[in-house]
Amino acid sequence: DTGVSQDPRHKITKRGQNVTFRCDPISEHNRLYWYRQTLGQGPEFLTYFQNEAQLEKSRLLSDRFSAERPKGSFSTLEIQRTEQGDSAMYLCASSPSGTLNYGYTFGSGTRLTVV
Amino acid sequence: GENVEQHPSTLSVQEGDSAVIKCTYSDSASNYFPWYKQELGKRPQLIIDIRSNVGEKKDQRIAVTLNKTAKHFSLHITETQPEDSAVYFCAAQGGSYIPTFGRGTSLIVHP
Repeated sequence: DTGVSQDPRHKITKRGQNVTFRCDPISEHNRLYWYRQTLGQGPEFLTYFQNEAQLEKSRLLSDRFSAERPKGSFSTLEIQRTEQGDSAMYLCASSPSGTLNYGYTFGSGTRLTVV
Repeated sequence: GENVEQHPSTLSVQEGDSAVIKCTYSDSASNYFPWYKQELGKRPQLIIDIRSNVGEKKDQRIAVTLNKTAKHFSLHITETQPEDSAVYFCAAQGGSYIPTFGRGTSLIVHP
C-alpha cells in the first residue's frame, strides 16, 4: 500500500458539466475525508466517512456535491453542474479509527479547473 | 464550531535561524493538534502532532508546545534549512474527529 491515491490528478471541464473524482485510502484506515483547497488557503472540510457511513457533511457544501463510499473502501466525490467557483484542489485524506484523534495521510489531490 | 487562528501568514528567515509559528484555538474540547507541511504543488504531510495531555513534544529540529489554559500551540523549527521552505498548517481536532485548519504560514528560508 503506497498511501492515499486520487484519480484523476487534473480535470478540466466546461461549466455545467458533471465531474467525478475517486479516492483510494490506505487500506487499514476506516476514516476518509474530502477537503477542498484554493490557492493561499488551508484545506476546507467537505465531508467525512467512517467505513461506508457518511457521518458529517459541511454546511457550506451545496447540494450539487455528493460523495459515496460503497463497501467502506474507495470513495467518489461528484460535482454536478460545475461552476467556475468550484475550481480548486480536491484533497482526500484517510486516518485510522478509534477513540483517539489521529493525523491524516493526504492524497496528491485532483486539481479541477472549470472553464 | 472551532476557530483556529494562525500567525504569521509569511515568515522569512536566514538559514540556521529558528522559526516559530503560532496558533490559537477556540474550542476547549479540542484535544489533538497536528501540524502539516505542504511544499509547492504537493500534498500536505503530517510532520508532528501533540495531544492535550502533553505540554511539549520534540522530533529532531522541530518541536511543538501546547498551552491548554491559553488555548494556543506553537511550532518551533531550529537550525532552519532551505528545504524547510513550505507552507505550514496547524489544526485542532476534538470529538468530531474533523480538524479545523489554520490559514497557513508560508516559511521562506534564505540560503
